[in-house]
Parts: sequence; structure tokens; C-alpha cells
Amino acid sequence: AQRVTQPEKLLSVFKGAPVELKCNYSYSGSPELFWYVQYSRQRLQLLLRHISRESIKGFTADLNKGETSFHLKKPFAQEEDSAMYYCALFMNRDDKIIFGKGTRLHILP
Amino acid sequence: DAGVTQSPTHLIKTRGQHVTLRCSPISGHKSVSWYQQVLGQGPQFIFQYYEKEERGRGNFPDRFSARQFPNYSSELNVNALLLGDSALYLCASSRLLADRYQPQHFGDGTRLSIL
Repeated sequence: AQRVTQPEKLLSVFKGAPVELKCNYSYSGSPELFWYVQYSRQRLQLLLRHISRESIKGFTADLNKGETSFHLKKPFAQEEDSAMYYCALFMNRDDKIIFGKGTRLHILP
Repeated sequence: DAGVTQSPTHLIKTRGQHVTLRCSPISGHKSVSWYQQVLGQGPQFIFQYYEKEERGRGNFPDRFSARQFPNYSSELNVNALLLGDSALYLCASSRLLADRYQPQHFGDGTRLSIL
């Protein structure tokens, strides 16, 4: 069955430390992966997509088809990174998108 | 630009009733998609419309329906409400069909509570 798994509900990291938010997916077709972020009292917004291979706000994510993962990484956490992060999978063959349950990132001062 | 606007912001209904939620996309955006977000979960895809045609449907019962108007605004209708329909309903818009599953612009949502 298709699914997106974000194993951590809450991740606490000290400011300046590296951050890695895990995302694993299950899909037999060709996946398109995304990360969305929701800051406190703000709307859900697209952070980055794997096809763009871009770095946004210092975050990067690499699609690893062998490990079926799309982990979100940042070398040095900042307090403004505290937010809810969702990993999402677009299933090309089924024309649907599914989201993970989300990970709340808390940056400690 | 006001962004994606949704109305109402909050709604309380009882079981068995029906509800209509509304969404106005960003000006120039022709694609609208709807999501249900239950507390503690990620958004779950319900419908996607582009140029007034349904282009995608999630795993929701027929009690859920939607439509898109000539001005690209959209309505989500839910009939025979159940307690489990209590959730935040999000609308998102995109300019291009190719971006329909990469919605970049979400509304604040409508919080629906079923008593």
C-alpha cells in the first residue's frame, strides 16, 4: 500500500546543531516527493520539491530510491526553523498526493 | 493579493446535516484542491479541479462532492455529516495544471465541528 511515514512526531534540536527530519515512502511507481512547512499561526506552505534539487532556507532533501527515503536536512538549526513539517508523495500513476502525519521541530536556544 | 480565502472560518453542525465550504483561489490561479486534516494527522487529499473539471479524487465517500465555478472559485459539499467529518478543511490553489499536486498556496482552512 502507498504510504508516507514520518517516524518522529516531535524532534527537539539545539540551535546550531544539525537537523534531520526523516521521511520514508512506499510506492511502486515513479514518486515525486515534497516537503511542506507550517510555522506558528501561518498557513501551510511548500518548502521544497525533490525535482528542483534546491536549497530553501538552508534545507535540502535528497530522494533515495534505494532506501525509499526523502529526509530533510539542515546543517545548522536556527530558532526560526521551529515549525510543523510534512512530507508528501505525489503518485504519478494514481494521480493522487498523500501526506505524512508530520513532525514538529522544536529548536532549543 | 489576499491569497487563498476560505469561508466560513468555523462551522458547527450536527450529525445528518449537510455543509458547504467555499474557497476563492489567488487571482489567475485556475487549479483548486481540497484537503481534510484531522487533528494530529497530515492533510488528506479530497478533490482537485482545474478549469472547472474534476482532475483528481481521493478516497472519500460519495457524500463528499465539489465543483468549480467560471471564476475559478470552488465549493466543497458534504452530505449526511458524521462525527468523523470533524476536521480542518483546507483549500489550495495553483496557477498551472502541472503544479496541481505541488500546491504552494493554501488557505487558512475551515474548522468544521460535528456534534
